[in-house]
Amino acid sequence: KQEVTQIPAALSVPEGENLVLNCSFTDSAIYNLQWFRQDPGKGLTSLLLIQSSQREQTSGRLNASLDKSSGRSTLYIAASQPGDSATYLCAVPSAGGTSYGKLTFGQGTILTVHP
Amino acid sequence: ETGVTQSPTHLIKTRGQQVTLRCSSQSGHNTVSWYQQALGQGPQFIFQYYREEENGRGNFPPRFSGLQFPNYSSELNVNALELDDSALYLCASSSGPQSFPTDTQYFGPGTRLTVL
Repeated sequence: KQEVTQIPAALSVPEGENLVLNCSFTDSAIYNLQWFRQDPGKGLTSLLLIQSSQREQTSGRLNASLDKSSGRSTLYIAASQPGDSATYLCAVPSAGGTSYGKLTFGQGTILTVHP
Repeated sequence: ETGVTQSPTHLIKTRGQQVTLRCSSQSGHNTVSWYQQALGQGPQFIFQYYREEENGRGNFPPRFSGLQFPNYSSELNVNALELDDSALYLCASSSGPQSFPTDTQYFGPGTRLTVL
C-alpha cells in the first residue's frame, strides 16, 4: 500500500526566502508525481507533474525534483511571496486494473510567507 | 473550455440524513474521481467513474455511492450521515486511461459538508 509523507507539516518564512518542501513515498514504482496547491477551504490547483522518467520540472519560481529510487520529491520555491501562502500537497497515482490514476496524497505542508 | 464545477458549495445536514453532491466534469473528460478531505488532512480517494461505470473504490463503506451520467457529470450520495462524514468533498476529472500517466487531474472547488 502506497503511503505518502510530507515534511514539514508547517513552515513560516519571511518574504523573499527560498524554501524547500519535502515529499516521500513508500512504493517507488510510481508513474508520476504531482504537486498541488490548496488555498483555505478551496479545491486543488495542479502546480507541476513529473513523469517517472524525468528528474525535474520547472514552472516559473517553482522547481520540483523526483528521485524514484529513494522515494523522494522536493518542491523548491524561489523568492517566496505572501501570495505563495497556502497548503502544498504531493500525490502519486496508482494505475492498471481498477481506478487508474487514483491519487494517494500526503497530508500537506502549510506554508505561510509573511511580509 | 469550462472547468470542473461542484454544487452545492456548502451543506449542513444532521446525523442520519442523506445527501447528494454534484460534479460537472471539464469539457472532454470522461473520468470523474471523488475524494474526501477531512480538516488538516490530505484528500482520501472514495471512488472513480469511467464512462458511467464504477472503476475502483477506496476504503469507504457502501453508504457512499455514486453515479455518472451520459454527459459525464457525476453524483456522490451518502446515506445515514455520521458526524465523521463532515469534510470537504472534492471531485476531479480527467481524460481517461488512454491519457494516463501524462495527463493531470483537474479538481473542482469542493463541497463543504457539515454533519450536526
